[in-house]
Amino acid sequence: ETGVTQTPRHLVMGMTNKKSLKCEQHLGHNAMYWYKQSAKKPLELMFVYNFKEQTENNSVPSRFSPECPNSSHLFLHLHTLQPEDSALYLCASSQEEGNTIYFGEGSWLTVV
Amino acid sequence: DAKTTQPPSMDCAEGRAANLPCNHSTISGNEYVYWYRQIHSQGPQYIIHGLKNNETNEMASLIITEDRKSSTLILPHATLRDTAVYYCIVSPRRGGTSYGKLTFGQGTILTVHP
Repeated sequence: ETGVTQTPRHLVMGMTNKKSLKCEQHLGHNAMYWYKQSAKKPLELMFVYNFKEQTENNSVPSRFSPECPNSSHLFLHLHTLQPEDSALYLCASSQEEGNTIYFGEGSWLTVV
Repeated sequence: DAKTTQPPSMDCAEGRAANLPCNHSTISGNEYVYWYRQIHSQGPQYIIHGLKNNETNEMASLIITEDRKSSTLILPHATLRDTAVYYCIVSPRRGGTSYGKLTFGQGTILTVHP
């Protein structure tokens, strides 16, 4: 139990579907992140939110739409994805002051 | 960001110490050394971090050379559950454009065998 909870753990969606990944942190942190891990590739940072404001968008396609309603919750809205978007999507959080990032267990996404 | 170099894989016998090296020859003065590990199909787990002094916690010890160009993560008594990919990352703390953005490389696959 890392204090960062992601749901669902597994998701299969068609290319025309709309779905969302949810992340909740119980650590009192102010920064939240989305990372993507494709097969046999390093983790890639997608988005960073600090105090609910997006501070980083790492050239992510618009079919991925993040939402951070408060410092404890982070969503990743998915729309019109491609099969190559199949990957492990990881949420993480950290204190505003420091860099120690704590990850959730991830959501396995399969696009068919 | 400074880059790190790690061996792609290492083996260790159960109960023995696992020593995982990392080179970070271009590390800047304000950059910390972080270690994470990722057990198959799980999210990365924070292990330890340090600036220039050696650090120890309940999971591991971190030895940083005096010139800070390399470091070693030590798991004192490896178990089968320590089999994972271990990532060595350098990153600044407290502000700067790289704040909070850990850049993961390929890491070292540590296999602990009976």
